[in-house]
Amino acid sequence: DQQVKQNSPSLSVQEGRISILNCDYTNSMFDYFLWYKKYPAEGPTFLISISSIKDKNEDGRFTVFLNKSAKHLSLHIVPSQPGDSAVYFCAASASLDRDDKIIFGKGTRLHILP
Amino acid sequence: GAGVSQSPSNKVTEKGKDVELRCDPISGHTALYWYRQSLGQGLEFLIYFQGNSAPDKSGLPSDRFSAERTGGSVSTLTIQRTQQEDSAVYLCASSLDRVNSPLHFGNGTRLTVT
Repeated sequence: DQQVKQNSPSLSVQEGRISILNCDYTNSMFDYFLWYKKYPAEGPTFLISISSIKDKNEDGRFTVFLNKSAKHLSLHIVPSQPGDSAVYFCAASASLDRDDKIIFGKGTRLHILP
Repeated sequence: GAGVSQSPSNKVTEKGKDVELRCDPISGHTALYWYRQSLGQGLEFLIYFQGNSAPDKSGLPSDRFSAERTGGSVSTLTIQRTQQEDSAVYLCASSLDRVNSPLHFGNGTRLTVT
């Protein structure tokens, strides 16, 4: 049973435009959400996180939005740059639960087109 | 500062052999995770160590897989009697012992079972 779902395996966006990556989750106990970026042959690197007490968190070109009622979060990258081409993973955990491990989605491959 | 270190970076082994994969977490990080990424797949949770608590082994795919963490630091993931379906990149990550702390990943060990 997949608790964190990234339904788009890939996404292509023109350089300079906004990239929007989506993620859905099923576990209502999740209260901490993260986005990671992964280049080939490297480990994932942390991008941005959000706690369930917020609905938006911004860090430079990256903004994460959380809609708790819809169990949905999204990562916005604006403006998109060539170096943003990578696989993006959404992750979640239930920090107040005994089962507080971090669960990842399957990832979305983002291609930034010149 | 030093990040999460994994060794070896690549391992080729024959079907039926045992392998050991090593992870050195960031100093002071008490949470340690093992994930694996098979070709074209997302990050699959394997096992999670948190401080002195009993590890969460719920993601281990079979009893051929085991992991230990000695002295609350270095961890070893052991796969006995390897099978071709074990071929994947095995990723280790660590985090500080506090709620809502992001994971820091190593670059992984690429395991190929021939």
